Amino acid sequence: DTGVSQDPRHKITKRGQNVTFRCDPISEHNRLYWYRQTLGQGPEFLTYFQNEAQLEKSRLLSDRFSAERPKGSFSTLEIQRTEQGDSAMYLCASSFSEDQPQHFGDGTRLSIL
Amino acid sequence: AQSVTQPDIHITVSEGASLELRCNYSYGATPYLFWYVQSPGQGLQLLLKYFSGDTLVQGIKGFEAEFKRSQSSFNLRKPSVHWSDAAEYFCAPPRGGSQGNLIFGKGTKLSVKP
Repeated sequence: DTGVSQDPRHKITKRGQNVTFRCDPISEHNRLYWYRQTLGQGPEFLTYFQNEAQLEKSRLLSDRFSAERPKGSFSTLEIQRTEQGDSAMYLCASSFSEDQPQHFGDGTRLSIL
Repeated sequence: AQSVTQPDIHITVSEGASLELRCNYSYGATPYLFWYVQSPGQGLQLLLKYFSGDTLVQGIKGFEAEFKRSQSSFNLRKPSVHWSDAAEYFCAPPRGGSQGNLIFGKGTKLSVKP
């Protein structure tokens, strides 16, 4: 069990730029989740995948956000035209099934200048 | 709508003292529930989980939690706190209507005095 891996750990970018984050889940896990966490808050759900199918998207996920999991393995989260309010920690988690514990990566911290 | 409340934003305890972190949830059906811990700049680590059966569940690092349906609570406890337990703790029931997605409380930050 190599755990959930996220890359990069930190991303600093200028407002208006596009950014992409990668998540590699635990290999046998079918479900992959994306959360966003701002300072002093708990993680907030963004979206999740069952294998390669994106099954739910939060209202937090505006049109500037897109997530993919092309082969049911790793996933990417892209933010276009970044805004100051996008500054947050983006967490990825994976689980074997619906009611099994989610295992989290260490997150990608995004800072918008 | 499903919700979770962690009433205590910040708790400070002395090393060796006992600890109880409160969690109250609102959920229509019998939930499964998790407690996670987060150290600064890190992801979340699972402490323990409740699915069904025994209402007192044991977790890692000497933590335990008790599910009380009548009080809609799932409080986390530890009999003797260690300095390394200083971190943020999150209670997480399912969001309801969402298959497997969790709703997190705002967390309780634990500080440990020497």
